[in-house]
Amino acid sequence: DTGVSQDPRHKITKRGQNVTFRCDPISEHNRLYWYRQTLGQGPEFLTYFQNEAQLEKSRLLSDRFSAERPKGSFSTLEIQRTEQGDSAMYLCASSDGNREFYEQYFGPGTRLTVT
Amino acid sequence: DAKTTQPTSMDCAEGRAANLPCNHSTISGNEYVYWYRQIHSQGPQYIIHGLKNNETNEMASLIITEDRKSSTLILPHATLRDTAVYYCIVHNYGQNFVFGPGTRLSVLP
Repeated sequence: DTGVSQDPRHKITKRGQNVTFRCDPISEHNRLYWYRQTLGQGPEFLTYFQNEAQLEKSRLLSDRFSAERPKGSFSTLEIQRTEQGDSAMYLCASSDGNREFYEQYFGPGTRLTVT
Repeated sequence: DAKTTQPTSMDCAEGRAANLPCNHSTISGNEYVYWYRQIHSQGPQYIIHGLKNNETNEMASLIITEDRKSSTLILPHATLRDTAVYYCIVHNYGQNFVFGPGTRLSVLP
């Protein structure tokens, strides 16, 4: 399978705990994106990387959120001190930023439930 | 905020063409129209994109009006597997995708 993969697919955690999600993009893609999606809404942009550099962060990405892409390959998204409002689907996508017109390829997402 | 307006939901009979409209009256000259869809419990999937001309690929056709203020995504022969939420996005190179709530298409047997 050469698509975008995410792990875990589901995570249930108690309020106040830290969680970390992983995304493995399509291997030749240099851009990687994180989105959050709540029920009935479209995905909301959180942040994106070009290679290992984090180039943009949304205002939605509070201080409790941190994302890394240390070697320009896989990425992790960590949420510290989770709150019930963090419950959502977290989507990762990748694209080939060297092309002028590009589509983003999305992974299946990690569904987070904070109890 | 999304720059597009779409109907909340639509129904289509299996085997018939599904025509999904999108208004983007504030689109600028260098912005493209992209369409994605999201089947339940999956990540969004790219369908098609265009600038001015109509476009067609193996999944769908995209018709953009001459003034570029609206577009229509056409699924020529809808199947039950086309039931999904369809997102119309106005996008310029270097910007991030802004998804609205989309149109929930139900293909009925």
